[in-house]
Amino acid sequence: AQSVTQLDSQVPVFEEAPVELRCNYSSSVSVYLFWYVQYPNQGLQLLLKYLSGSTLVKGINGFEAEFNKSQTSFHLRKPSVHISDTAEYFCAVTKNTGGFKTIFGAGTRLFVKA
Amino acid sequence: DTGVSQNPRHKITKRGQNVTFRCDPISEHNRLYWYRQTLGQGPEFLTYFQNEAQLEKSRLLSDRFSAERPKGSFSTLEIQRTEQGDSAMYLCASSVPGQGYGYTFGSGTRLTVV
Repeated sequence: AQSVTQLDSQVPVFEEAPVELRCNYSSSVSVYLFWYVQYPNQGLQLLLKYLSGSTLVKGINGFEAEFNKSQTSFHLRKPSVHISDTAEYFCAVTKNTGGFKTIFGAGTRLFVKA
Repeated sequence: DTGVSQNPRHKITKRGQNVTFRCDPISEHNRLYWYRQTLGQGPEFLTYFQNEAQLEKSRLLSDRFSAERPKGSFSTLEIQRTEQGDSAMYLCASSVPGQGYGYTFGSGTRLTVV
């Protein structure tokens, strides 16, 4: 079975500062990794995904994430955040073969302050 | 392509009543998923359809819950004899075949059982 641990439940940061949201996963098989963002009263939106190849993946809104197989991590980063980035961020994992459902972490609330 | 549509957006019901939610996926997506999200938690998998076939149900889905996807198009999720613990956001998502594409989520139906 797969599991996802998001190491911070809340991350406050000032506008234009860099941010890192941490995610560790556990799986006995190879997986695909995702980050989703959820704005208030909305569904989740796909930010970026790692399937294979380069371990640094870029997504929408200036976010990027780095896959580290040895540390089983997939941390999300942004060099300079905006007020509009305030949202809940979810790390997620899916088996890359024979799987069909995605397992989500508990989420990290990013709060950007002026 | 109008995205994944969920109705109603909000539902308040008295304990013991039955409720039904509807999800209209993206037309070319043959996979449809239901998730439940409670406050401060990530989405939890409930059930999954490939076309009209329901391929897996989570143990979270008690016998009071039933889901259908007639003709492989829209889906309904029914909760019978609602309990206060059923209060949550119910999210629907759809995807094309394959594990690497990620999900497109609807905005969810927020259920409050009073």
